[in-house]
Amino acid sequence: EVKLLESGGGLVQPGGSLRLSCAASGFTFTDFYMSWIRQPPGKAPEWLGVIRNKANGYTTEYNPSVKGRFTISRDNTQNILYLQMNTLRAEDTAIYYCARFTTVVFYWYFDFWGPGTMVTVSS
Amino acid sequence: DIVLTQSPALAVSLGQRATISCRASESVRSSMHWYQQKSGQQPKLLIYGASNLASGVPARFSGSGSGTDFTFTIDPVEADDIATYYCQQSRNDPYTFGAGTKLELK
Repeated sequence: EVKLLESGGGLVQPGGSLRLSCAASGFTFTDFYMSWIRQPPGKAPEWLGVIRNKANGYTTEYNPSVKGRFTISRDNTQNILYLQMNTLRAEDTAIYYCARFTTVVFYWYFDFWGPGTMVTVSS
Repeated sequence: DIVLTQSPALAVSLGQRATISCRASESVRSSMHWYQQKSGQQPKLLIYGASNLASGVPARFSGSGSGTDFTFTIDPVEADDIATYYCQQSRNDPYTFGAGTKLELK
């Protein structure tokens, strides 16, 4: 059974940093692309970025909205996905989800999501 | 960025058909997917590639369309289907979501 579980959320002051983690199990972690997606309260999800699988060199892509402030990485020995967030702003307040980004034929989609972790940026 | 436009809400009666539309600002071919999000939960994949049912999803759910116009259908609607439904495109990076359609009971 595929399981994703985020942690590390909380209250942080504007300008601060936070690192989120996502523990993955139930699948061969290195075979899959992984993404972070956030959802502000009452709004739609927003894709933040993706880290590719072993076959594609674990390279990353980011949404321009967070590029330069957020960094996605992975620990493939412990099956953990990370999101390092710097220079946080009030508008970064959201539930942060990790999701497996998978492909069938030429369709790419988010087939499993974790329950999310809440990040609140406020003084 | 590709903008996806959905109607904000739809009211339906139990046992009836619910049809939700999603229009893309440019062609996404068939790279459109649909998610269900119940209150307090994470989104769940229902349809991928515009019309393909995700594993374990009941056949009451279906999708159609290509290019810029897509439709998601629930027939018949059951009480457990009350949720917000999002379309999402993966044709172009950054991958974007629609604003969601909240399904309500009449």
